[in-house]
Amino acid sequence: KAGVTQTPRYLIKTRGQQVTLSCSPISGHRSVSWYQQTPGQGLQFLFEYFSETQRNKGNFPGRFSGRQFSNSRSEMNVSTLELGDSALYLCASSLAVIEADTQYFGPGTRLTVL
Amino acid sequence: KNEVEQSPQNLTAQEGEFITINCSYSVGISALHWLQQHPGGGIVSLFMLSSGKKKHGRLIATINIQEKHSSLHITASHPRDSAVYICAVDNTDKLIFGTGTRLQVFP
Repeated sequence: KAGVTQTPRYLIKTRGQQVTLSCSPISGHRSVSWYQQTPGQGLQFLFEYFSETQRNKGNFPGRFSGRQFSNSRSEMNVSTLELGDSALYLCASSLAVIEADTQYFGPGTRLTVL
Repeated sequence: KNEVEQSPQNLTAQEGEFITINCSYSVGISALHWLQQHPGGGIVSLFMLSSGKKKHGRLIATINIQEKHSSLHITASHPRDSAVYICAVDNTDKLIFGTGTRLQVFP
């Protein structure tokens, strides 16, 4: 079974631009979660989607948004980029049949904002 | 105070040593995860625990729900175990992460 894939792997943007990141979960997985990892804050939860619905959201401003498609693929969007948005963005998928489930992480997208 | 605390932050060991990484949490959880992150960023899920103990190869994870504490043990450590180990708790359908323990194992 193919693992979680994320595209692109690396991205360079300038302040004020917007960016869209993509995540394809493991086949059959209906839950996709997004995380931000920075040297200062570590790993932080952004949001989780299950069957095209946002089920949970972390403490991030409204510039961070996401969606999930009927094939479970997910995208996250960051508008009006700030320098502090430079980070590794990870997505993870799970079956989520039960409340807590093993999460399978993608390789991440490294975003640099100049 | 962070909701998930790990110790130590950094750990250096000689090949073959027994290693313990600790995780304490202050929130209610449905499960606790141990993750491994290698340089370059990829994260691998090692264990998901809601009670007791799990073993996989040289890795053992334990959790004490009453004391809100978990440990990850590595027996007969090897240089390829060098990575950052992250504890994360499942709290109301979102993961809260510890700051990680950077482990270096020297031959």
